[in-house]
Amino acid sequence: EAGVAQSPRYKIIEKRQSVAFWCNPISGHATLYWYQQILGQGPKLLIQFQNNGVVDDSQLPKDRFSAERLKGVDSTLKIQPAKLEDSAVYLCASSSASSWGLGNEQFFGPGTRLTVL
Amino acid sequence: DQQVKQNSPSLSVQEGRISILNCDYTNSMFDYFLWYKKYPAEGPTFLISISSIKDKNEDGRFTVFLNKSAKHLSLHIVPSQPGDSAVYFCAASENSGYALNFGKGTSLLVTP
Repeated sequence: EAGVAQSPRYKIIEKRQSVAFWCNPISGHATLYWYQQILGQGPKLLIQFQNNGVVDDSQLPKDRFSAERLKGVDSTLKIQPAKLEDSAVYLCASSSASSWGLGNEQFFGPGTRLTVL
Repeated sequence: DQQVKQNSPSLSVQEGRISILNCDYTNSMFDYFLWYKKYPAEGPTFLISISSIKDKNEDGRFTVFLNKSAKHLSLHIVPSQPGDSAVYFCAASENSGYALNFGKGTSLLVTP
C-alpha cells in the first residue's frame, strides 16, 4: 500500500513570496490533515478535511494560508505572502476514520521543509 | 496552550534495558492516545495507541500505560535496541475523528 505522498520535499523562498505544497493521501482515506511542525515542537493542526469538506480550520491563519481538497482526494496548502515565522515542516496526514475508533490512526507523509529567508 | 506535555526532551538508555517515556495531558476530554516515532527527514510513524477504556496496551516490545486519574501515560520499550533511537511524540485526541494534539517530543538514544 502506497503511503502519503508530499511534494516538494524542500522549499526555500524569500519573505512575502508565495508557496504551495501538495499532498496525495493513502487511497480510500476520507480524512486529510495538514500540520505545521516548527523546530523543537510537536506537529500542530492547521486544517482537517473530511472528503472535500473542511471539518476544522480554527488554527489556520486565514489571512495568509489557504487549503483545498478538490474531489476529495489530493490537497494543496498555500501560503501567500510568507513570513519568516512560517519556516517549518508541513506535514500531511490521512486517516480512514469517518468515525473515530481504535486503530483509526493517522498516517503521515514525509513532510515539506519550508525555509523563509 | 500546550495540552499534551512531554517534560523530558531527551533520554539515553543502554541497549537491552527498559526505556520509559512519559507524557502528561491537561484536557479531560481526551480519550484516545497515541505514540508516534520520528526519524530525521521522515514523517511521524504510528507506534501504538490506547483508548481511555483501557489502562494498558501491548504490542511486542512496546507497552503503553494510561492513568486517567493522573492524566498521565507512559511508553515502555523492552528491551531497547539501537534502532529505537528516534524522537517519540505523544498525541491525544477527543473522540469523533478530531485532530491530534501532540507533545514536543522526547529524543531517545539507545547506546550499544
